[in-house]
Amino acid sequence: AQSVAQPEDQVNVAEGNPLTVKCTYSVSGNPYLFWYVQYPNRGLQFLLKYITGDNLVKGSYGFEAEFNKSQTSFHLKKPSALVSDSALYFCAVSANTGGFKTIFGAGTRLFVKA
Amino acid sequence: ETGVTQTPRHLVMGMTNKKSLKCEQHLGHNAMYWYKQSAKKPLELMFVYNFKEQTENNSVPSRFSPECPNSSHLFLHLHTLQPEDSALYLCASSQGTSGGESDTQYFGPGTRLTVL
Repeated sequence: AQSVAQPEDQVNVAEGNPLTVKCTYSVSGNPYLFWYVQYPNRGLQFLLKYITGDNLVKGSYGFEAEFNKSQTSFHLKKPSALVSDSALYFCAVSANTGGFKTIFGAGTRLFVKA
Repeated sequence: ETGVTQTPRHLVMGMTNKKSLKCEQHLGHNAMYWYKQSAKKPLELMFVYNFKEQTENNSVPSRFSPECPNSSHLFLHLHTLQPEDSALYLCASSQGTSGGESDTQYFGPGTRLTVL
């Protein structure tokens, strides 16, 4: 069975500081990993995904994530946070065993303080 | 957000009412999804359609009835709901090829449903 854990309900960082939003996963087979962001009163927006290849994935708005197979993690990072990055971030996983079942985490609320 | 639209944006209904949520995608995708989003809980996948055929039904109660007349439109028919069904209902679409597991999903803004 697939599962995703986002261990932090909330992350607080100061503007200009680096940010990390954590995600660990469990899946049978090779994982496909995703990060999405949700702003207030909006649907989820795609940030980046890992399918195969380079473990460091670069995405939209300066975000990146590193796939770590041994630690089954896919943490989201950004070198310098902006106030406008404040939002709800979701990690998601699916397995390369076929099917459309993507499992999402509970989300992590990011607050960036000016 | 013009890629995937949802109507209505807000809906208040009584437990005995019948209503429908509508989703339309303008991206030329073949797969469409319904999710339920409740506060501080993971997004719950409800249904998936690919090329108008249902491929996932995640043990959803029968008071929720999906309909996919074509690859661009998806409906969620609601009847005799419970207060615990109050949530944000999100529609998404994806390309729908190669099994779908690596697809990027594109979400609509959601319908905020309140059941009294």
